[in-house]
Amino acid sequence: QLQMQESGPGLVKPSETLSLTCTVSGGSISNSLYYWGWIRQPPGKGLEWIGNIYYNGNSNYIPSLKSRVTISVDTSKNQFSLKLSSVTAADAGVYYCAREDSGYSSGWYDVWGKGTTVTVSS
Amino acid sequence: EIVMTQSPATLSVSPGERATLSCRASQSISGDLAWYQQKPGQAPSLLIYGASTRATGIPARFSGSGSGTEFTLTISSLQSEDFAVYYCQQYNNWPPMYTFGQGTKLEIK
Repeated sequence: QLQMQESGPGLVKPSETLSLTCTVSGGSISNSLYYWGWIRQPPGKGLEWIGNIYYNGNSNYIPSLKSRVTISVDTSKNQFSLKLSSVTAADAGVYYCAREDSGYSSGWYDVWGKGTTVTVSS
Repeated sequence: EIVMTQSPATLSVSPGERATLSCRASQSISGDLAWYQQKPGQAPSLLIYGASTRATGIPARFSGSGSGTEFTLTISSLQSEDFAVYYCQQYNNWPPMYTFGQGTKLEIK
């Protein structure tokens, strides 16, 4: 059974870079059937899609974050990562990694990590 | 950007009764819609994709319908474990620019 686990610092200073890693176990991140995504949730609010990546490194980002975000993949470690630069308080919240079906007309997330909470504070 | 609007924001229903949740897209998304359930302190979990296909292991009391801009999630007979927040998500764009609704909180009446 596929499992996903986010990891990274829970506290980031304003203007610095948030770095998170998602480790996939019980399956290969190189599986061509899937994309791998990041979704976040500000405290008490709804879900926001950040972006996704394919095992070959092809990535997509939400336009509002595109200038600050990078998603990368390390197939040797079965991990993918999120970097978000120049963070502000608006970037605080729970960050989830999740698996996305890559088939035609797909884009839903069927396996999620438990999420990791990021606080932005000096 | 495709804006997803869910209604109502909060829905109060008694156990055993039917709940109907709505999701509207700002432009046609065909059937490219998913529904998720989120309980407090937990990650969302997939209920429905393709507007009407139940995900693996989802009970038959959950059903989805709709296409174009209007979608509905129906829970036919509410169980205690169904009280949660529900989100819709569209995935109609290419390149991807997925968006979620703001959520509907389903609470016990």
